[in-house]
Amino acid sequence: DIQMTQSPSSVSASVGDRFTITCRASRNINYFLAWYQQKPGKAPKLLIYAASTLVSGVPARFSGSGSETEFTLTISSLQPEDVATYYCQQATNFPFTFGPGTKVDIK
Amino acid sequence: EVQLVESGGGIVQPGGSLRLSCAASGFTFSSYWMHWVRQVPGRGLVWVARISDDGSQTNYADSVEGRFTISRDNVRNTLHLQMSSLRAEDAAVYYCARVRAPGPIPLHWFDPWGQGTLVTVSS
Repeated sequence: DIQMTQSPSSVSASVGDRFTITCRASRNINYFLAWYQQKPGKAPKLLIYAASTLVSGVPARFSGSGSETEFTLTISSLQPEDVATYYCQQATNFPFTFGPGTKVDIK
Repeated sequence: EVQLVESGGGIVQPGGSLRLSCAASGFTFSSYWMHWVRQVPGRGLVWVARISDDGSQTNYADSVEGRFTISRDNVRNTLHLQMSSLRAEDAAVYYCARVRAPGPIPLHWFDPWGQGTLVTVSS
């Protein structure tokens, strides 16, 4: 199975801050990576797929990059509504593994 | 509006069985692969199973292989997860999720997700 790791596990930032979450795969997954946002008590929501393609309707302050084994999710200007846990997921083959999540809150 | 609505969760004793359902609407259900993903409250997401658009292909996580069965009814636009020999570690919120786009070679990122249904395994 492909193992996914994320760092940091949590981040506390100020409104307007820019920061990056890193996701690493245990082997090459090309660009088959997705990012999800999960707010408390809600289902996950797809933000980015194919490593860097933003889902329609997702604010442009979210961006993704990377390939093979290292990927990043960047929020260019943190907003209060971005408080959530963010997960990466590899989509190369089953089992479709997720990273452990990065919890983002406002300082 | 594309919508997935799970049902069937509840409390079950260890060793018992439960059948989850996921009602799909707002899209051509028979064109999409479907998945189940679970999450222990406060923990991360774990993929459980998938089924092809026509129901001919299924795959499972090792942890549920042989105990869970994913199926679909493309007439009633419903996805199912039959769970048997339930264990304490199966307790979780179970989400159904659709792959984002149809096609002969689907890419397995999940969009949308249902709201989830809670399964509790306790004596």
